[in-house]
Amino acid sequence: QVQLQESGPGLVKPSETLSLTCTVSGGSISSYYWSWIRQPPGKGLEWIGYVYYSGSTKYNPSLKSRVTMSVDPSKNQFSLKLNSLTAADTAVYYCARSGYLYYGVDVWGQGTTVTVSS
Amino acid sequence: QTVVTQEPSFSVSPGGTVTLTCGLSSDSVSTSYYPSWYQQTPGQAPRTLIYSTNTRSSGVPDRFSGSILGNKAALTITGAQADDDSDYYCVLYMGSGILVFGGGTKLTVL
Repeated sequence: QVQLQESGPGLVKPSETLSLTCTVSGGSISSYYWSWIRQPPGKGLEWIGYVYYSGSTKYNPSLKSRVTMSVDPSKNQFSLKLNSLTAADTAVYYCARSGYLYYGVDVWGQGTTVTVSS
Repeated sequence: QTVVTQEPSFSVSPGGTVTLTCGLSSDSVSTSYYPSWYQQTPGQAPRTLIYSTNTRSSGVPDRFSGSILGNKAALTITGAQADDDSDYYCVLYMGSGILVFGGGTKLTVL
């Protein structure tokens, strides 16, 4: 079955850019929507945005100015970049898959913890 | 800004039935919002329970069911078990490729 694995730094400095990658195994990246979702400590889930396998994107309006997502079908990977980090960006970041976006998420990664601190 | 509302907390006795709801601050929830539901236990990734209002995800027991009740989406757990003690999140599709999570409901089974 399809599995998703996030990778990236666990600690990033304020004002810097966070770069995370999600590797898709057991299935193709084609014909799906690939999302990033985060969860600050002790708080709820927040949808950051998606990248479609074709490369088109849509971002949460509250984060749009700081987010860039991309996809690399040749590596079966997709990525998140979030710039101008502050402590409020400290969270567990999940990558996720949707078949039809409006159906929500059907496959989740295990999550990776990112701490923003100097 | 659209706010998706959920009860912050709920409790149910083992074997009992509980209904959690998912509303909108400025509209009624209908099937057109394709509500989906997720279960999360501490330290774990969420698990998908329900999508498109009432379709159970693969492997989800039939004691979990989704519906529209009045002007809200609803998740009903029938015959609650100890391992249903979790956080539950709903997601609504707002159109134009936007998903919004509710704030989550902490369900206690005791």
